Amino acid sequence: EADIYQTPRYLVIGTGKKITLECSQTMGHDKMYWYQQDPGMELHLIHYSYGVNSTEKGDLSSESTVSRIRTEHFPLTLESARPSHTSQYLCASSESGRGLGEQYFGPGTRLTVT
Amino acid sequence: DAKTTQPTSMDCAEGRAANLPCNHSTISGNEYVYWYRQIHSQGPQYIIHGLKNNETNEMASLIITEDRKSSTLILPHATLRDTAVYYCIVRGLTHAGNMLTFGGGTRLMVKP
Repeated sequence: EADIYQTPRYLVIGTGKKITLECSQTMGHDKMYWYQQDPGMELHLIHYSYGVNSTEKGDLSSESTVSRIRTEHFPLTLESARPSHTSQYLCASSESGRGLGEQYFGPGTRLTVT
Repeated sequence: DAKTTQPTSMDCAEGRAANLPCNHSTISGNEYVYWYRQIHSQGPQYIIHGLKNNETNEMASLIITEDRKSSTLILPHATLRDTAVYYCIVRGLTHAGNMLTFGGGTRLMVKP
């Protein structure tokens, strides 16, 4: 059973608000990832991190930002939410090194911006 | 990473084997084949991966052709809870770690 958590699970918020989506894992994984997925569509990588103080943008351009101050924590922030940000956001983690370990996914946060 | 091609959807009768194909004709020698699945509204779940040899675990079997240009994921006795989108991903070792590129996947519907 993977130990990766996301909060909130569901969020409905008005345009212009600042929001932070939380992601935590207790497996000691160095690598963490954020994916965005619209209903019925593919997952797209928007951010990833190799470890503390390391963050990179993914394949899909995103107006969100991330931080990695602690190994276990990888929050995603939207400074000013817009309806176009409505989507599901999935966090994942994997073991360090060049190994081929699987990615463990959290349950996701479904965000609706009105 | 090599591109993969999967059927958009498939049906399977409950209790029967589900065979999900994947084409990856541009796969290179050091790239592995991974399978994940995503049950509705949940995060993806790792199923299995392989390089050349066939692999089996408690969830599924993975059959890779000798030329490695295609593979098949087999769920031996499909249940209703196996209804999900199944993603075939080809990935090699990179310094960046486990970067996965998800395509459209196959939507498997297991019917009673």
